[in-house]
Amino acid sequence: DTGVSQNPRHKITKRGQNVTFRCDPISEHNRLYWYRQTLGQGPEFLTYFQNEAQLEKSRLLSDRFSAERPKGSFSTLEIQRTEQGDSAMYLCASSLGDRGLQDTQYFGPGTRLTVL
Amino acid sequence: KQEVTQIPAALSVPEGENLVLNCSFTDSAIYNLQWFRQDPGKGLTSLLLIQSSQREQTSGRLNASLDKSSGRSTLYIAASQPGDSATYLCAVRIGGSSNTGKLIFGQGTTLQVKP
Repeated sequence: DTGVSQNPRHKITKRGQNVTFRCDPISEHNRLYWYRQTLGQGPEFLTYFQNEAQLEKSRLLSDRFSAERPKGSFSTLEIQRTEQGDSAMYLCASSLGDRGLQDTQYFGPGTRLTVL
Repeated sequence: KQEVTQIPAALSVPEGENLVLNCSFTDSAIYNLQWFRQDPGKGLTSLLLIQSSQREQTSGRLNASLDKSSGRSTLYIAASQPGDSATYLCAVRIGGSSNTGKLIFGQGTTLQVKP
């Protein structure tokens, strides 16, 4: 069990550029979540996958954001035409779903995005 | 709409003190409640999870309680140590027909334990 991993850990980009982040969940975890956290705040939910199906998207996820989980394993989060307001920590979490007794969510280390 | 609030926002205590962190939520229809720890610039580490049917959970020096009817949870830390310094986050999972598994977080309490 290697835990949830995220890459890259840090990303600095210029306004208007596209960025893509990757999340590798704990193996056999069928649920995968993306959250966004700004300084001094708790994480906010962005989107959720059950296997490869994206089952819920927050209103925070504008049309510039897209997430995929093509084979029900790793996931990518892409932000197009980045804006300074997109600067935040992007966190990925995975869980066993309700097959697991408690469905604890395990978080990765996050990707820190800075948009200049 | 479920809202989660944590008070205080920051707390500083001398080493060895017992302390309580508070979390309140507006809708009692929760599936579970989870406490996390976050070190600066890092991801979240799960500490304790309490199912909606449970009243408390314990792990080492940590004890979390849940009172659904009043919309409150507390995290009790016994004999605090400098290594406990971190931000503690409370999160609820919504229950009922909206039970997708997503967590609603509070803003966190930043704890500093002074040697």
